[in-house]
Amino acid sequence: IAGITQAPTSQILAAGRRMTLRCTQDMRHNAMYWYRQDLGLGLRLIHYSNTAGTTGKGEVPDGYSVSRANTDDFPLTLASAVPSQTSVYFCASSDWNRGFSPYGYTFGSGTRLTVV
Amino acid sequence: GQQVMQIPQYQHVQEGEDFTTYCNSSTTLSNIQWYKQRPGGHPVFLIQLVKSGEVKKQKRLTFQFGEAKKNSSLHITATQTTDVGTYFCAVGGYQKVTFGTGTKLQVIP
Repeated sequence: IAGITQAPTSQILAAGRRMTLRCTQDMRHNAMYWYRQDLGLGLRLIHYSNTAGTTGKGEVPDGYSVSRANTDDFPLTLASAVPSQTSVYFCASSDWNRGFSPYGYTFGSGTRLTVV
Repeated sequence: GQQVMQIPQYQHVQEGEDFTTYCNSSTTLSNIQWYKQRPGGHPVFLIQLVKSGEVKKQKRLTFQFGEAKKNSSLHITATQTTDVGTYFCAVGGYQKVTFGTGTKLQVIP
């Protein structure tokens, strides 16, 4: 089934540790995104990538980094985790054509991260 | 990026009642998307509206884009327990899509 795979599903992480959240898509979408979802704050964009080899900062990029070495993979790294990074992280992708993505975003199932 | 206000934040309805959520922007929007997220799940794309005054239907769901392209609504007729979840609007274009804070719908059987 085509879609986005995120790993791990959940993780408890000690503060100060480094962690990489994995995201892989098999739809050959050109754009990929990382969002965090916190109660009452909705979905906030962390980083995005319009195409392989390029990345950009979203609304809340501090403490996170990303890379896009190929079309399919878009890992999110927390260099030194802090408790405020406790959240549910969603990876998403879309297929943009002339400014529109007629099928919207496809989201992964999410990673629930708890930093203690 | 563009900002949207989504109201109400929460809505409890009796099964069979109608439900409406609204998204409002202070600026003209190029398009608006709607998503549904079931409890414990991930957002799922429902529809995109592009044209001024556009109305689209999906079974019991009716989506509207305002004439001025500054607001949009999602209306559910005769809610069912399967409609439970959070409904988000999303605005913006290439690179910077912004999601509303969502309306959480609870349906009482």
